[in-house]
Amino acid sequence: AQKITQTQPGMFVQEKEAVTLDCTYDTSDPSYGLFWYKQPSSGEMIFLIYQGSYDQQNATEGRYSLNFQKARKSANLVISASQLGDSAMYFCAMREGVWDMRFGAGTRLTVKP
Amino acid sequence: KAGVTQTPRYLIKTRGQQVTLSCSPISGHRSVSWYQQTPGQGLQFLFEYFSETQRNKGNFPGRFSGRQFSNSRSEMNVSTLELGDSALYLCASKTSPGTGGRGEKLFFGSGTQLSVL
Repeated sequence: AQKITQTQPGMFVQEKEAVTLDCTYDTSDPSYGLFWYKQPSSGEMIFLIYQGSYDQQNATEGRYSLNFQKARKSANLVISASQLGDSAMYFCAMREGVWDMRFGAGTRLTVKP
Repeated sequence: KAGVTQTPRYLIKTRGQQVTLSCSPISGHRSVSWYQQTPGQGLQFLFEYFSETQRNKGNFPGRFSGRQFSNSRSEMNVSTLELGDSALYLCASKTSPGTGGRGEKLFFGSGTQLSVL
């Protein structure tokens, strides 16, 4: 069964506007971690933000914030004030139990000037 | 501090051949994981090594194998290559399994792009 679901294959956003990338997950483990990574065309995966299942506050890292809705099992990434350099693939990932990270299919974000 | 280094960056092989990819983790990192990335299947977990021992393995055939050396460097090997093995192979490292709990992030290399003809 798919553990991480990203339903938006592609998204467009105007420069300087905010955009939300969706991510839902499935787990029965009460302790898990959720991550977002960015992958530019160079191929390297760049860590953006982390949310733990027991964290009470939504995570924020600069222009990135995570809208964590535990009951709905969603962990959407919000990018504020989009920049041209934000154009890339974005992956949601989860770590649970003894397993290493599992990734969603990704969302390709294109920022328009 | 140097990042995760993967070599080679690009590789072209033919069906039936075997290939070895190399990964040097960040200094001090003892856990190395490998992922396969394809347009159709996305990012799939191959295996994780820690202290020269395979800790976890994804759902891949036995043609895919790996090892880790005492200096934490890791190699993965694919034997009897098939066209479907064409992919970007990403290596990632972290200090150790479980350290930092669920929140310890993986640091990725730039990957090895393997093309099988």
